[in-house]
Amino acid sequence: EEQLVESGGGLVQPGGSLRLSCAVSGFTFSFYWMTWVRQAPGKGLEWVAKIKEDGSEKYYVDSVKGRFTISRDNAKNSLYLQMNSLRVEDTAVYYCVRGGWRFAYWGQGTPVTVSS
Amino acid sequence: DIVMTQTPLSLSVTPGQPASISCKSSQSLLYSDGKTYLYWYLQKAGQPPQLLIYEVSNRFSGVPDRFSGSGSGTDFTLKISRVEAEDVGVYYCMQSKEIPPLFGQGTRLEIK
Repeated sequence: EEQLVESGGGLVQPGGSLRLSCAVSGFTFSFYWMTWVRQAPGKGLEWVAKIKEDGSEKYYVDSVKGRFTISRDNAKNSLYLQMNSLRVEDTAVYYCVRGGWRFAYWGQGTPVTVSS
Repeated sequence: DIVMTQTPLSLSVTPGQPASISCKSSQSLLYSDGKTYLYWYLQKAGQPPQLLIYEVSNRFSGVPDRFSGSGSGTDFTLKISRVEAEDVGVYYCMQSKEIPPLFGQGTRLEIK
């Protein structure tokens, strides 16, 4: 059974940093693109970033370019999102998702709150 | 960016009755590989989204056959043939033909 478990969320002040992690099991992690999607409180879904199977290609939504970095460790079956220079508008639940185009499996999400 | 527009934004349906949600994209979602990159997701309260339909009309594993997707180019529809209580939630269409993948605003389905 495919499982994706996010961690690392929390409360951070504007301008601060957080590193989200996603531990994967139940499928061959290195075979898939991986994606981060976020959802602000009471709002819709927003794609954040995706990374190729071997990490050689990465893409970001404009609003996080230069501040967020997606990465992966295939040996550890883990996906990461390094978030720097956080803004109030980055407050959301962040989901780890399998796939680069078809988002077939989602984690439960980890909440990030950016507030002073 | 390819913008996705869903209608209606909410609907209330009697159990056993059909429901339909429209999704329109600002550009064609047909890619040069012959696939149309249109997806439907359902997000139930307190849960992550779940994939219902991929590439316009293909039901994902375990999705009941009362759910069906249709359309082409820029106009797409999700239909539920007979709504059940467990279908309550917010339905999103999404395009992933181009970066950034964008979701529609969501359609909230409630039971009468």
